[in-house]
Amino acid sequence: GQQLNQSPQSMFIQEGEDVSMNCTSSSIFNTWLWYKQDPGEGPVLLIALYKAGELTSNGRLTAQFGITRKDSFLNISASIPSDVGIYFCAGSKNTDKLIFGTGTRLQVFP
Amino acid sequence: DAGITQSPRHKVTETGTPVTLRCHQTENHRYMYWYRQDPGHGLRLIHYSYGVKDTDKGEVSDGYSVSRSKTEDFLLTLESATSSQTSVYFCAISDVNEQFFGPGTRLTVL
Repeated sequence: GQQLNQSPQSMFIQEGEDVSMNCTSSSIFNTWLWYKQDPGEGPVLLIALYKAGELTSNGRLTAQFGITRKDSFLNISASIPSDVGIYFCAGSKNTDKLIFGTGTRLQVFP
Repeated sequence: DAGITQSPRHKVTETGTPVTLRCHQTENHRYMYWYRQDPGHGLRLIHYSYGVKDTDKGEVSDGYSVSRSKTEDFLLTLESATSSQTSVYFCAISDVNEQFFGPGTRLTVL
């Protein structure tokens, strides 16, 4: 089945650094979502985007819906240890199913 | 947090035995989903439901069946478990675009 291309696959950064990750698709989506998954838990929704060009923030997190509708970006500013986890993008072409990215594993060192 | 529970949270079973996983929601959301998560594959949709008694297949539905007799409950059944079905299973719910995930069930088939 289709999966979104998410990069980078993993990141190792120092506390306080900013983080950027992105998700690309060969087809257009109407909705982009970003999730974070901690070990042993289910994914938690961070940000939802509904319009091309939309820029939305949630605390230190900022996500953008690409103008072409084929990509999305997530930035984390001033990373802290609790940002550690796996970040997934997900896209929807209609209202009932999501297609997930392959995930970006983030490690933050003090 | 969305009111989603999954039971059991952990299960070990033997090849050939039937297994039923339960997802229960208290949000009265229309859509419910079952995913499996495996290393290297991310989240893959098994089956989903768009209403009571209304279900459809996802990308990895072989070997699985589902039932939804009430809005709040969505059951996933492995009729005859195989080792390839060892995985972490997540239930999700949604009303429109945003899906909210349960805590997961770790299933091991020996």
